[in-house]
Parts: sequence; C-alpha cells; structure tokens
Amino acid sequence: KQEVTQIPAALSVPEGENLVLNCSFTDSAIYNLQWFRQDPGKGLTSLLLIQSSQREQTSGRLNASLDKSSGRSTLYIAASQPGDSATYLCAVRPMEYGNKLVFGAGTILRVKS
Amino acid sequence: EAGVTQSPTHLIKTRGQQATLRCSPISGHTSVYWYQQALGLGLQFLLWYDEGEERNRGNFPPRFSGRQFPNYSSELNVNALELEDSALYLCASSSTSGVAETQYFGPGTRLLVL
Repeated sequence: KQEVTQIPAALSVPEGENLVLNCSFTDSAIYNLQWFRQDPGKGLTSLLLIQSSQREQTSGRLNASLDKSSGRSTLYIAASQPGDSATYLCAVRPMEYGNKLVFGAGTILRVKS
Repeated sequence: EAGVTQSPTHLIKTRGQQATLRCSPISGHTSVYWYQQALGLGLQFLLWYDEGEERNRGNFPPRFSGRQFPNYSSELNVNALELEDSALYLCASSSTSGVAETQYFGPGTRLLVL
C-alpha cells in the first residue's frame, strides 16, 4: 500500500528565506508526482507535475525534484513571500491503483512579513 | 476558461439523511474524481468517473455512490449520513483518463453532519 509522508508538518519562516519541503513515498512504482497548494477552506491549486521519467520541474520561484528510486521529492521555494503562506500537499499517482492520487498530510507554511 | 465548479459550497445535514454534491468539470474534460478531506485524515480518493462509467473506487462503504452525466458533470451521493462524513469534498477533472494528465481541483463542498 502506497503511503506518502511530508516533513515538516509545519514551518514558519521570515520573508525572503529560501525553503525546502520534503515528501517521501513508500512504493517507487508511480506514474508521476504532483505538488499542490491549498489555502484555508479552499480547493487545491496544482503547482508542479513531475512525470516518473523526469528529475525536476520549475515554475517561477518553485522547483520540484523527484528521485523515484529513493522515493523522495522536494519542493524548493525561493525568496519566500507572505503570499506563499498555505498548506502544501504532495501527491503520487501509483501504478497499481489507476488514476487515483495518494496524498501526504501536507506541510503548513507560514511566511512572516 | 472556467475551472472546476462545485455546488453547494456548504451543506448541513443531520445523521441518517442523504446528501447530494455536484461537480462540473472544466470544459472538454471527460474524467471526474472525488476526494474526501476529513479533519485528521487527509485527502482520500473516493471515486473516479470517465466517459460516464465508474472506473475506480476508494476504500469507502457502498453508501458513497455517484454518477457521471452525458455532459461529464458528476454527482456524489452519500446515504445514511454519519457524523464522521463531515468533511470537505473535493472534485477534480482531467482532460483524458491518461495517467500523465494533471487533475484540476474545484473549491470543494463542505459537508457538516449534525
């Protein structure tokens, strides 16, 4: 059974800091891994999608890497801003279960101004 | 382009009642997914519909059911509501059933069972 773990559970940083969010998964048989952002009481916004054959994806100040063999992904946020405050969720699409996503519990990020 | 829409935004029911949640996918998307986000349990996969058919189901009891209409919109029904069904229900859509496709999420329906 695929399990996804995110560390840390919560993070509070001053504005301008670069930060790293970690995601690990137990089964490397995945199609892809996706990072999402969720604002309080809202739905999910897709940030980055990394296919299993890829090593990383970049979008603006965000960079996500994938090491499928070790079951790890990191989301790097450069020059953090208060508007980055949200919950960040990592999700994998396991090969075994078709099109469902398996989510981690998320990292709650607070960027202080 | 309009995103995934869900209705209602909030729903309050009492134990034993039935709840119906609705989802309209992004125009052109044929696959619809339902997820439950309960407090303390994280996001869990409920159902996947594609081209009107149920393709996959998560580990939920049969009182969670749904359907997809010819216009690809979808409905989630929860019968015999229990207190622990209180959660944010998220709908997502993708352009095809391919595993490489990004799932785009709606704002959710918050269900409260009293």
